[in-house]
Amino acid sequence: GDSVTQMEGPVTLSEEACLTINCTYTATGYPSLFWYVQYPGEGLQLLLKATKADDKGSNKGFEATYRKETTSFHLEKGSVQVSDSAVYFCALNGNTGKLIFGQGTTLQVKP
Amino acid sequence: SAVISQKPSRDICQRGTSLTIQCQVDSQVTMMFWYRQQPGQSLTLIATANQGSEATYESGFVIDKFPISRPNLTFSTLTVSNMSPEDSSIYLCSVSRIAGYEQYFGPGTRLTVT
Repeated sequence: GDSVTQMEGPVTLSEEACLTINCTYTATGYPSLFWYVQYPGEGLQLLLKATKADDKGSNKGFEATYRKETTSFHLEKGSVQVSDSAVYFCALNGNTGKLIFGQGTTLQVKP
Repeated sequence: SAVISQKPSRDICQRGTSLTIQCQVDSQVTMMFWYRQQPGQSLTLIATANQGSEATYESGFVIDKFPISRPNLTFSTLTVSNMSPEDSSIYLCSVSRIAGYEQYFGPGTRLTVT
């Protein structure tokens, strides 16, 4: 079945450092791919999405490119802020119509 | 997007009791879902709430334990029945306008069972 694998956390960075959170997936067909963010004590917010190969999703300085050849959707940001500290979830929506989530990666940014 | 509210935002309940969680959306949506997020874990889909018919449950979840209602296109409830400490989790509802596209989540209900 469909699955999503994220790099394990926690990831600890200093402010203004570069961020990459790896995400790879297994799916039949052509799933849509998403990154969600969960700030402490809150629900999930959609951060960005890509619906077909080579699409680049971007929002709030974060980017991710849908790479079908490597079945990856890595999340990147050039300069993180303390306010980016949160849990990040990679997810796919395949032909079942259901969201499949990765295990989540905790990011902590220190001043 | 959609504005989604959940009630209650949190609760502490005694084992053996039941709690009903409400999910309200500001506009009509095609699909509504209920998820569970156990402490420090990812999200697990409990069921898809179908308007006017019985919910579709995922493996490991049953209607007797998690009865769901969806009387219209903007509202759904999830009941956690005969609770035990293992039910302590965050319960989230989500909505989608088109199957296969993004889902939008409510703020969640933090449940603690003592």
